[in-house]
Amino acid sequence: GAVVSQHPSWVICKSGTSVKIECRSLDFQATTMFWYRQFPKQSLMLMATSNEGSKATYEQGVEKDKFLINHASLTLSTLTVTSAHPEDSSFYICSAGRTGRSYNEQFFGPGTRLTVL
Amino acid sequence: AQSVTQLDSQVPVFEEAPVELRCNYSSSVSVYLFWYVQYPNQGLQLLLKYLSGSTLVKGINGFEAEFNKSQTSFHLRKPSVHISDTAEYFCAVSSYTGTASKLTFGTGTRLQVTL
Repeated sequence: GAVVSQHPSWVICKSGTSVKIECRSLDFQATTMFWYRQFPKQSLMLMATSNEGSKATYEQGVEKDKFLINHASLTLSTLTVTSAHPEDSSFYICSAGRTGRSYNEQFFGPGTRLTVL
Repeated sequence: AQSVTQLDSQVPVFEEAPVELRCNYSSSVSVYLFWYVQYPNQGLQLLLKYLSGSTLVKGINGFEAEFNKSQTSFHLRKPSVHISDTAEYFCAVSSYTGTASKLTFGTGTRLQVTL
């Protein structure tokens, strides 16, 4: 159990276009989902925390108008990279939080490789 | 605020040898500690976690870690590694903040197992 999927697994787009990445919890409900960005050979940096039915909370330095997050249901969160530029090329990973007795464990998706030409 | 330090960016080791990947953390509150493994172009897989109780935690694939509060460490160990253990390993810390537990990751350690 606790499977998280992401779609697409990789995407190539032209500069200036928008790209949507989906994150789904397949066998559990996730009130909270997280979006991370990972540059090559670097660690994961939290971009934002997405709560079902409310606005996402963005980390300092992350442009909310650039990275639109929608958490419309308990099993789906989407990240839209608007007007993408080559510097937005990265590996984007989502995680879904499942409430436990004492803490909210995160389960990670397989990631989405975005390349902006 | 909390932070995680992984002192070794790369650890080369021969197959069947033991390995230790080091992790130190800092936090002003009680924390939960995690080790994740990432294979190329994949997401993160949880190896093990410390929430409370016994300081020696056993995880998947023969890995274990020991929580040392006085030294604020959570080093990962395996007595005998395999080629398939070659991957990136991330230590992470979380403090419980209601419904959402934010994870702070270390910079990662690349474990390279060779014959």
